[in-house]
Amino acid sequence: GESVGLHLPTLSVQEGDNSIINCAYSNSASDYFIWYKQESGKGPQFIIDIRSNMDKRQGQRVTVLLNKTVKHLSLQIAATQPGDSAVYFCAEKGPGTALIFGKGTTLSVSS
Amino acid sequence: SAVISQKPSRDICQRGTSLTIQCQVDSQVTMMFWYRQQPGQSLTLIATANQGSEATYESGFVIDKFPISRPNLTFSTLTVSNMSPEDSSIYLCSVERGRKETQYFGPGTRLLVL
Repeated sequence: GESVGLHLPTLSVQEGDNSIINCAYSNSASDYFIWYKQESGKGPQFIIDIRSNMDKRQGQRVTVLLNKTVKHLSLQIAATQPGDSAVYFCAEKGPGTALIFGKGTTLSVSS
Repeated sequence: SAVISQKPSRDICQRGTSLTIQCQVDSQVTMMFWYRQQPGQSLTLIATANQGSEATYESGFVIDKFPISRPNLTFSTLTVSNMSPEDSSIYLCSVERGRKETQYFGPGTRLLVL
């Protein structure tokens, strides 16, 4: 079946560093992508999204990059803080299809 | 975004029993979704619940095991029936909101079956 996967299950960074979390997707028909942050004991929290007609979108300290040629999605977090420690999921959606989640990357930020 | 609450937040249940999880949204939504997140895993869609129609279940999930109600546009319930330890998971409801149909999630119900 079609799935969204993440390249690394864990990522450890120092406070203040920039973090990059990667995701590969397999459904070329997907046209909407979302990054979620899930802290321990909580539900997934929306971070940022991007449509397939864009290749970059910026938020506050976060940037999502989309490369449709190689079906790759990344989340960049600038000046990573201890409060950014969480599990990050990418999710993809195509027309008329359900949201499909990747496996998740656990980000650990040490101060 | 959306304000979504779930009850209970967590529970410990005996095998063979059933648990009904409630999901309440702060405003009317057409589509509500139920997900399961097994320990250390990603989210898997169980079913989509539209008000006024039968829920649509994903492959591997059946109505007898996970009956869903959607009595109005702000509320839904998911029942986990005849539970076994394999049903120990986090159960999450979500809703679509906005022009882009972004999905927002509730806090989850943490279920442990002994």
